[in-house]
Amino acid sequence: AQTVTQSQPEMSVQEAETVTLSCTYDTSESDYYLFWYKQPPSRQMILVIRQEAYKQQNATENRFSVNFQKAAKSFSLKISDSQLGDAAMYFCAYRVQGAQKLVFGQGTRLTINP
Amino acid sequence: DTEVTQTPKHLVMGMTNKKSLKCEQHMGHRAMYWYKQKAKKPPELMFVYSYEKLSINESVPSRFSPECPNSSLLNLHLHALQPEDSALYLCASSQFRDDQPQHFGDGTRLSIL
Repeated sequence: AQTVTQSQPEMSVQEAETVTLSCTYDTSESDYYLFWYKQPPSRQMILVIRQEAYKQQNATENRFSVNFQKAAKSFSLKISDSQLGDAAMYFCAYRVQGAQKLVFGQGTRLTINP
Repeated sequence: DTEVTQTPKHLVMGMTNKKSLKCEQHMGHRAMYWYKQKAKKPPELMFVYSYEKLSINESVPSRFSPECPNSSLLNLHLHALQPEDSALYLCASSQFRDDQPQHFGDGTRLSIL
């Protein structure tokens, strides 16, 4: 069974600093997709970034980037120049190719200190 | 602005009531999803519709009844719910491609008295 583990229930960072959220997953599949979603208090799950497992290059979206280590089954999210609006619950998610089900980690609550 | 619209945003109902949650998207997505989310927990998949047909039912109790009238609409009919069913119910949609993410609505906060 596929599992996703986020080992940091809570993280905090000073505004304008950099923070890294960790995510590891367990799978025997070779083709899959990884996602980071954020869920602010407004409740909506918002896609932050995604990574295809067959791509070696790490995905980047503005201040958000990932460190994808396929052999280690690790998919961490780096947020640079943290802003107050980044405060949210962050979920790492995995989906195997051909499957519709997203497997979520337990989430990391990120606090931004002004 | 969210591209997946859920109504109502809040719903309080008694255990004997019948109510429905609605979800609408106009992105041309052919996969639609219902999730249940308890506080401080990740979303749990309930149902998946693919091309308006139910493709996944995650052993959800029959007091939850999904319906997909057309490619843009998804309903969740509720009847005889229990207090433990109080949660945030999220709807999502996606293209029918593995590399495409799911787009979520704002959810319906459901409270069972």
